[in-house]
Amino acid sequence: DAGVIQSPRHEVTEMGQEVTLRCKPISGHNSLFWYRQTMMRGLELLIYFNNNVPIDDSGMPEDRFSAKMPNASFSTLKIQPSEPRDSAVYFCASSSPRTGKETQYFGPGTRLLVL
Amino acid sequence: GQNIDQPTEMTATEGAIVQINCTYQTSGFNGLFWYQQHAGEAPTFLSYNVLDGLEEKGRFSSFLSRSKGYSYLLLKELQMKDSASYLCAVRFYNQGGKLIFGQGTELSVKP
Repeated sequence: DAGVIQSPRHEVTEMGQEVTLRCKPISGHNSLFWYRQTMMRGLELLIYFNNNVPIDDSGMPEDRFSAKMPNASFSTLKIQPSEPRDSAVYFCASSSPRTGKETQYFGPGTRLLVL
Repeated sequence: GQNIDQPTEMTATEGAIVQINCTYQTSGFNGLFWYQQHAGEAPTFLSYNVLDGLEEKGRFSSFLSRSKGYSYLLLKELQMKDSASYLCAVRFYNQGGKLIFGQGTELSVKP
């Protein structure tokens, strides 16, 4: 069974450029989460979707960040324009309520460096 | 707020037992998770507690006291590969499906 898939795994870009991160959740999972992790702030939830609908985007830093989930098997997180302070590891996670636990399973992450 | 508190770092010896504590604010509690994260990798699920008591899974056990807002992760027969960050995460009723993560406890296992 494939886990959560993220691409790219590494991204190096220059300040001002647009960055698009992609995520494919585990098949059958209906909740999808985007996190950012840095040494200073730890693991922070940016936004999550339930059945493709954004439920809570209170963690999205500012208007430069946007996320979409056009269907149950694909989501994007876009940063435009990117800034050096956006450098972090971005994780996507998915979960399903079927087990009752709604355990979140994480993808491998995208390591973003903005120069 | 819903602060999740855990020690920043711990050190233990190979073969020993270590207990990592986590405290949280009890209002609206709806489940607690422990994750393990090795350096440069994604967090991986270890355990889930929603009722009081001890859940055992091999060398790892997790305990919960809802009235005290307290959990611990117990690691027995420590191995070098257990060196990692251990993240406590709590789900609250008024927060939908999302988890609030602690800062993580960096465990170093020494020979």
